[in-house]
Amino acid sequence: AQSVTQLGSHVSVSEGALVLLRCNYSSSVPPYLFWYVQYPNQGLQLLLKYTTGATLVKGINGFEAEFKKSETSFHLTKPSAHMSDAAEYFCAVSTGYSTLTFGKGTMLLVSP
Amino acid sequence: EPEVTQTPSHQVTQMGQEVILHCVPISNHLYFYWYRQILGQKVEFLVSFYNNEISEKSEIFDDQFSVERPDGSNFTLKIRSTKLEDSAMYFCASRGTGSNTGELFFGEGSRLTVL
Repeated sequence: AQSVTQLGSHVSVSEGALVLLRCNYSSSVPPYLFWYVQYPNQGLQLLLKYTTGATLVKGINGFEAEFKKSETSFHLTKPSAHMSDAAEYFCAVSTGYSTLTFGKGTMLLVSP
Repeated sequence: EPEVTQTPSHQVTQMGQEVILHCVPISNHLYFYWYRQILGQKVEFLVSFYNNEISEKSEIFDDQFSVERPDGSNFTLKIRSTKLEDSAMYFCASRGTGSNTGELFFGEGSRLTVL
């Protein structure tokens, strides 16, 4: 079975500050890892994904995440937050043809 | 860019009524999914569908739920007799056969409110 834990249901940052959203996973086989973003009243949009190869993955809107197998982590970062980054972020894990399992989500709040 | 489309965007219904949520997956995709998100909670898997049959379902997907692919483009979720706790955002998703990484493409969701 696979699972995802996202630490912190809410994260608040100031505009221009570093964004760090934490995600830890559990999987019995090598995982595929995803971050999805959900803007208010919208659907789920893929931000970035790790499948194989380079462990540092770059996504849209300046976000990136690093797969650390030893720590079973896939934390999402962005060097400088924008107001438009305010949204809910979901980490998810899959083992290929299995279903996608989501974490509980982290709401990112950005203040001026 | 191809996208998954869902209708209606919002439906309000009375408890006990039947509801059908509609989805048009990306045209060359063959794997289809329904997920739901109760307000303030995580996105939960309901069911996956491939080759005209359910391939996997969760505990949530009980006898009140059913899915159908009535034609070559639509994929529907039916709730036979809605309960208050069925109020949620329902997301449809699809995946292409070329993807073995589990990446899903999601629609914008259908918000169901049961009164």
